[in-house]
Amino acid sequence: NAGVMQNPRHLVRRRGQEARLRCSPVKGHSHVYWYRQLPEEGLKFMVYLQKENIIDESGMPKERFSAEFPKEGPSILRIQQVVRGDSAAYFCASSQTGQGPEAFFGQGTRLTVV
Amino acid sequence: GDSVTQMEGPVTLSEEAFLTINCTYTATGYPSLFWYVQYPGEGLQLLLKATKADDKGSNKGFEATYRKETTSFHLEKGSVQVSDSAVYFCALSDPSQAGTALIFGKGTTLSVSS
Repeated sequence: NAGVMQNPRHLVRRRGQEARLRCSPVKGHSHVYWYRQLPEEGLKFMVYLQKENIIDESGMPKERFSAEFPKEGPSILRIQQVVRGDSAAYFCASSQTGQGPEAFFGQGTRLTVV
Repeated sequence: GDSVTQMEGPVTLSEEAFLTINCTYTATGYPSLFWYVQYPGEGLQLLLKATKADDKGSNKGFEATYRKETTSFHLEKGSVQVSDSAVYFCALSDPSQAGTALIFGKGTTLSVSS
């Protein structure tokens, strides 16, 4: 991978708690994508952000999920009041130009809700 | 909408066997096509890509040809190794839309034994 850092790698939360997933893009990249990988499924697009702006959130569940990419610091994917169905691997990708195919992926955060 | 369909796995092969993983797509425009590989516990890595009809993408002994007439992008390798064991994802994107996210197939697990 080309330097996208996600943390934590593994996260366990009890039902009803909040989960915060962090993504530091490749240095110089200002475009970030979040994808979710459910068991036995491919990756599904969730949200596309540029610095301080949400460009496309068509893949985000309408409730409990939010994302931000502040001017300084990592991009954050926040899941409030987690439920068992939120258990998945969440991947972040970053790119310089905003073209999805040129994005580099992080190693993912595996969220387990117990 | 656009979609990607991959052959279901798992695919189990002996070392040095020939590999084919089928991928077909549905798209309204002229997508770019990709194969990504995910090794155990890792994020996705771009394996190869093709941006127009009849293009052949190749990398690490893997090849795939963009076939517009059959809307296919099958992945092939002449002689697999144990180290090729991973999950392979076919994906597409619409390059006419800046920042477009990738659309993934469900993935095909390849297991190679010595």
